[in-house]
Amino acid sequence: AQSVTQLGSHVSVSEGALVLLRCNYSSSVPPYLFWYVQYPNQGLQLLLKYTSAATLVKGINGFEAEFKKSETSFHLTKPSAHMSDAAEYFCAVSRDSGYSTLTFGKGTMLLVSP
Amino acid sequence: KAGVTQTPRYLIKTRGQQVTLSCSPISGHRSVSWYQQTPGQGLQFLFEYFSETQRNKGNFPGRFSGRQFSNSRSEMNVSTLELGDSALYLCASSLPQANGETQYFGPGTRLLVL
Repeated sequence: AQSVTQLGSHVSVSEGALVLLRCNYSSSVPPYLFWYVQYPNQGLQLLLKYTSAATLVKGINGFEAEFKKSETSFHLTKPSAHMSDAAEYFCAVSRDSGYSTLTFGKGTMLLVSP
Repeated sequence: KAGVTQTPRYLIKTRGQQVTLSCSPISGHRSVSWYQQTPGQGLQFLFEYFSETQRNKGNFPGRFSGRQFSNSRSEMNVSTLELGDSALYLCASSLPQANGETQYFGPGTRLLVL
């Protein structure tokens, strides 16, 4: 069975500081990994997706994530936080081709202070 | 291209009633998945439909059901509502891809059961 662990239900950063949101996964097969963002009263927006083509994945809004198989991690980073980045972030994993069902982590709320 | 749409956006029901939620996928997408989001349980997979057939099912009671029409639009139904069914219900659509399907989410339907 697959699972995703996001360390830290809340992360606080100052505007301009580095953003680091942690995600560890467990999967019996090479997974597809995703990061989604959810703004208040909205659905989930795809930030980026890992497909094994490259270990460093660049996404929208300046975010990127690095796949580390040895650590079973897929942490999300952004060099400089902006106030508009305040939202809840979800890491998710799916099985190999032919299945789209996502298993989500519990989410991390990112708080950005001026 | 228009995104995933869900109707209604907000719904208030009382215990024991039933409810039907609707989802229109992105044009060309044939897979539709449903998720329940609650503060306590997070994001949980309900079921997935592909070409009018249920392809995958999560661990929810039989009160939760769904269907998909020939135009890929999907509905989910919850019968005999309970207070614990209060949640944000998210629909996602996807297209088969060689490097893993990517799910695109709608804005959700927020259901409140009184």
